[in-house]
Amino acid sequence: EAGVTQFPSHSVIEKGQTVTLRCDPISGHDNLYWYRRVMGKEIKFLLHFVKESKQDESGMPNNRFLAERTGGTYSTLKVQPAELEDSGVYFCASSQDSAGELFFGEGSRLTVL
Amino acid sequence: GEDVEQSLFLSVREGDSSVINCTYTDSSSTYLYWYKQEPGAGLQLLTYIFSNMDMKQDQRLTVLLNKKDKHLSLRIADTQTGDSAIYFCAERIGGYQKVTFGTGTKLQVIP
Repeated sequence: EAGVTQFPSHSVIEKGQTVTLRCDPISGHDNLYWYRRVMGKEIKFLLHFVKESKQDESGMPNNRFLAERTGGTYSTLKVQPAELEDSGVYFCASSQDSAGELFFGEGSRLTVL
Repeated sequence: GEDVEQSLFLSVREGDSSVINCTYTDSSSTYLYWYKQEPGAGLQLLTYIFSNMDMKQDQRLTVLLNKKDKHLSLRIADTQTGDSAIYFCAERIGGYQKVTFGTGTKLQVIP
């Protein structure tokens, strides 16, 4: 069975451009999470979907970040316009239920120049 | 508060024991986790401990929890080169799966 997959693995863009990251959770997992690790710092929670609904988006930094999960399957995280401080690794995770084990993807590294 | 703190780097010789430490600030944590991230890979759950436990042992891994001091440690016995990775301490509060991570400790194993 495929694990959590993320695309792209690495994206390099210029300040002001737009980037969209995609996450495909494990099939059947209703819970999907986005996390971010800025260089050398802790991994921070961004938001949590249950199916297509946003359960908790308290970690989203600002309105330049937009996450969607139409149809309750894959999710996208769009950054528009990107700023230098958005650089980092964006992790996606999924779980079967809200108390279950989190399965993480390999992360999408974003570099904003 | 939700800060989870770890030292950034640890270097040990192959065959020695490694001890990675973590402090957290939220006394209402229900689960505490250790995740491992190997180069180019995602986060892998290594082990976890319930907040009402003091110790958990799983083969070469020993987790110790001191709730009074809000201190969590991971001991790896007979450390191998394959253990080289970044280790993240994390806590979960309540039944909801919002997990707060530490900064990660990079473990370097010297042959």
